[in-house]
Amino acid sequence: QSALTQPPSASGSPGQSVTISCTGTSSDIGTYKYVSWYQQHPGKAPKLMIYEVTRRPSGVPDRFSGSKSGNTASLTVSGLQAEDEGDYYCSSYAGNNVFVFGTGTMITVL
Amino acid sequence: QVRLVESGGAVVQTGRSLRLSCAVSGFTFKSYSMHWVRQAPGKGLEWVAIISYDGNKKSYTQSVKGRFSISRDTSKDTLYLQMNSLQPEDTAVYYCARDLDSMWISGYFAFWGQGTLVSVSS
Repeated sequence: QSALTQPPSASGSPGQSVTISCTGTSSDIGTYKYVSWYQQHPGKAPKLMIYEVTRRPSGVPDRFSGSKSGNTASLTVSGLQAEDEGDYYCSSYAGNNVFVFGTGTMITVL
Repeated sequence: QVRLVESGGAVVQTGRSLRLSCAVSGFTFKSYSMHWVRQAPGKGLEWVAIISYDGNKKSYTQSVKGRFSISRDTSKDTLYLQMNSLQPEDTAVYYCARDLDSMWISGYFAFWGQGTLVSVSS
């Protein structure tokens, strides 16, 4: 039940795209489609941005997209905007009704 | 609209107990699985526990097994986390979160409370 591995930071200029990875194992991401992504601004609760690998909840801009290959999931933010700056966490089902989060990535808009 | 409000956070000494509550409104509580997620100061998110919509399934992260207990009272629309034998490493903001889908365990944390701070001093 180890945390999923994410890069500590990523950055891009306004309008550019940034992709962050989330690496797990064959016991979590590699086996299940239950991968989600969360955005968190300082002092605020997290917000669901992507679920079931690629799906966006109502209200989340289509600039946010997700994918998965093998044991690694990815989140891409296209057309970066200032308000996209914050911490991003992935999460996956790990079997037996247990869930695990990633280590988190801070996205900076230059 | 969906609302989750945690309470019960406090400063406690190592080895003591604490019960957190999460009062919900704006949805049919008995239809949704619920989670507790915590975040230590300056650290990342850690999933802590889940209780299924019907209360029949409960699971915990390894580090709290045998010490923490999740429960729900549908008559009060309230989720609980009983925390015993608290340790300094349990210091965190504790969030309750609602699953995305009803009558299911999806593990998608769709709605969150504002969090309540638990501080364990040694």
